[in-house]
Amino acid sequence: QKEVEQDPGPLSVPEGAIVSLNCTYSNSAFQYFMWYRQYSRKGPELLMYTYSSGNKEDGRFTAQVDKSSKYISLFIRDSQPSDSATYLCAMENTNAGKSTFGDGTTLTVKP
Amino acid sequence: EADIYQTPRYLVIGTGKKITLECSQTMGHDKMYWYQQDPGMELHLIHYSYGVNSTEKGDLSSESTVSRIRTEHFPLTLESARPSHTSQYLCASSARTGAPEAFFGQGTRLTVV
Repeated sequence: QKEVEQDPGPLSVPEGAIVSLNCTYSNSAFQYFMWYRQYSRKGPELLMYTYSSGNKEDGRFTAQVDKSSKYISLFIRDSQPSDSATYLCAMENTNAGKSTFGDGTTLTVKP
Repeated sequence: EADIYQTPRYLVIGTGKKITLECSQTMGHDKMYWYQQDPGMELHLIHYSYGVNSTEKGDLSSESTVSRIRTEHFPLTLESARPSHTSQYLCASSARTGAPEAFFGQGTRLTVV
C-alpha cells in the first residue's frame, strides 16, 4: 500500500466550478502537506503548503488538512481554464528529508 | 522563477551510449533530487542528496548513477542507455531547513532509440 493515495481523476469541470482535489495518507509522522501544480511538459511548482492541521487560503485556493482522518484537500473556487493542469499532493516529516508525492490528478477546466 | 537548470531539454540517443544529464541550482540548496516521470504518470524518486559527497538511492530502482561534488551541481549518468530508459527526468532542490518546498527544473526528455 502506498503511503500517499490521491484521487486518480481525470477531472473535467466547466469554468467557474468549485473543484475539490483529495489525498489520503497512512504515515502519521507527516507534518508538512503540500500541493504542487504541473503544466504539461513542465516541472511541478509549489502552490501552497500547510504545517500540521488546519486550513490555509491563498486567493482562489484553499488547502485543508485533517490529521485525525489523515486526509487533505485542495479546493479551487471559480475555476479558470488556466487552472487546467495536473495537481500533486506531497507530504513530508521533518526527519525524512524528502517528500512523498501522490500520483497526481489531471484537471481540465472547460471554457 | 526558480533558479534550477537542466540541460539538455531534449535528447535522442542510440542504444549503448553513455549520457550525462546536467542539473545546476544557484539557490545554495543542500538537498537535491532526481525524479523520473513518464508522460501523464506519477513522479518516481530515483536519487537524492543531502549535500556534498552525499548520495542515496530513491524509491524506484534505477541503473543510473549520480554524484555531488559541488553544492550547486547534481549530474545523473547512464553508462549504457537502453530504450527502457526513455522518459522525462526532473531535477529538484530544496533547503535543508524551513518549509520543504522543492524547486523543479524544466526536465530533460530522453529518448533512446
